[in-house]
This record gives sequence, C-alpha cells and structure tokens, in this order.
Amino acid sequence: DTAVSQTPKYLVTQMGNDKSIKCEQNLGHDTMYWYKQDSKKFLKIMFSYNNKELIINETVPNRFSPKSPDKAHLNLHINSLELGDSAVYFCASSSTGNSPLHFGNGTRLTVT
Amino acid sequence: GQQLNQSPQSMFIQEGEDVSMNCTSSSIFNTWLWYKQDPGEGPVLLIALYKAGELTSNGRLTAQFGITRKDSFLNISASIPSDVGIYFCAGLMGAGSYQLTFGKGTKLSVIP
Repeated sequence: DTAVSQTPKYLVTQMGNDKSIKCEQNLGHDTMYWYKQDSKKFLKIMFSYNNKELIINETVPNRFSPKSPDKAHLNLHINSLELGDSAVYFCASSSTGNSPLHFGNGTRLTVT
Repeated sequence: GQQLNQSPQSMFIQEGEDVSMNCTSSSIFNTWLWYKQDPGEGPVLLIALYKAGELTSNGRLTAQFGITRKDSFLNISASIPSDVGIYFCAGLMGAGSYQLTFGKGTKLSVIP
C-alpha cells in the first residue's frame, strides 16, 4: 500500500564508505526527487528526474549520484561519505513537475 | 534561488486554541502547498492552493493563496494534541518547474 517507499530507514556508517539508498513509488508518477533535510529541519532539493531523465541537479557534491532505472525507481548512491552528509534524505514523487509531491518516510543517515 | 519566509518558527499553544502561520516570498508562485511532518516520517500534504485568492479548507484547517501570489497562510481551529508537528509551506513557480521551494517550517506544540 505504501505509495513512496525508501530503504533503509536508518543507515549508520563510517566516513569514507560508499552507501546507497533506494526509492520506489507505486503511484504511476512521472517525476521523482531527492530532498535533504538538515538538523534544523530545512528541506532542500538535491535532484529531480522526469521519466528517467535528470531535470534538476542542485549544487550537490558529485559524490552523490542518482540513478533512475525506470520511472518508478530513483536510487541515490553516495561515495566517500563525510560527516556533513549526516541528515535525513527524503525521496518524493509527483505526477508532473507542477503537482504536489508525495514523500517517503525518509532515510536517516549517520556518518561517524 | 527563491526563498520562503515562514513564521512563526515555533508556537506553544493550549489545546482548543486557534493557530495561524504564514509564508511570504519576494517571488510569485503559481501553487502554494502546506505540509505537516510528524517525527520520523515524511511531510504529508494538507492543502494545495492553485489560484490567487483561493481559500480552501480541510477539516479544521483553512489555507489561503494570497492575491499577490507572494504569500499564503494556514489556520488551524480548535487545536488538539495530534496537531503537534512541523508545518511547512511550499511553493511552485509554474508549469514544468519541477522544484518545490520549502519554508523553514513552524514547529507546533499543543499543551493538553
């Protein structure tokens, strides 16, 4: 039943490691996103994909690489993790680029 | 990039009281959205506004899209303990914008 699901919910890892977060939506939406929420709860867009094509790539370090194998999935791979990458990462989807977003429940990444 | 100024940053109210929060921007938005985030979960859409001047209700919640298209407010009437959470305003600039800009959130605490 879950509309936007992301795994894992919690991820604890050491600096320098590489990790991936997966996201799937079963809403039939064409557009998917990754947002980062910092410790002050500010939500900032990282990437947006429309029909597997990258639309938005904000000023995110190139250690972050999104991959969209099909329009229902958008994964986020992070290389050489740093302490400052600790945050909650939210996947979201929308039917078009001008429609409300539906969010997953987040992945809390802690880098030690 | 665009910025949304959301206020107040936090509120402590007694159960049964009404609540009001607002967002302003220096840019024009074509869509205003209000989300609520509970601890450990993703933001959930409360109300979507698509036309300047539009006033929309969802149960005890009422939101308005400002005439200038640069502001929006959210009212909650007769607050209850489960209203606790962080409320975010968000704006979309227009067709194909693919980028939802968020306010910094209003943290609401309800004292029983």
